[in-house]
Amino acid sequence: GAGVSQSPRYKVTKRGQDVALRCDPISGHVSLYWYRQALGQGPEFLTYFNYEAQQDKSGLPNDRFSAERPEGSISTLTIQRTEQRDSAMYRCASSYPTISEQFFGPGTRLTVL
Amino acid sequence: KQEVTQIPAALSVPEGENLVLNCSFTDSAIYNLQWFRQDPGKGLTSLLLIQSSQREQTSGRLNASLDKSSGRSTLYIAASQPGDSATYLCAVGSNYQLIWGAGTKLIIKP
Repeated sequence: GAGVSQSPRYKVTKRGQDVALRCDPISGHVSLYWYRQALGQGPEFLTYFNYEAQQDKSGLPNDRFSAERPEGSISTLTIQRTEQRDSAMYRCASSYPTISEQFFGPGTRLTVL
Repeated sequence: KQEVTQIPAALSVPEGENLVLNCSFTDSAIYNLQWFRQDPGKGLTSLLLIQSSQREQTSGRLNASLDKSSGRSTLYIAASQPGDSATYLCAVGSNYQLIWGAGTKLIIKP
């Protein structure tokens, strides 16, 4: 079956604009995770959903970042009033069940000018 | 707070050699440990998953071991090939999130 998909693959935006990053998990996976990866580093946890419930958002850097998964499938990570420091690779993963192998999408490369 | 360290940060070896990548973690209360491969501009590919109750996992030329008591995991690559060149990341499953090392950049010279 299809793996985790993310869109767009690349996003260039100007500072101050809002962006929305989309993640479509593997069908049937109940858990969905967002990570952010800076160049030369490992990913860092942002937030996690179990079905439609956001179980942990402790990794979101500040209140400009938010995420939702309204129907327990596709998730959107939104960054408001983007800043240059938000530039990174944003990765989405899904798993079934929770606390099991996580499968990653190709990522969205965000560049804020 | 869980911290994951990977040594070395970079490694270059001739084709055909066997090699070992190291991963250490500070908190032994983990659920699992995953090794990933990352190619430039591409996604993360899961190589091996070791559950906390297991000692090792094997897939083809790859073997990963886990010693929770000492906070260590190793990834052994046998008979390395140029196609193995990539960055290898270790991630520790702590509750539902993965805590990551910074990776080892591996170059296999033909």
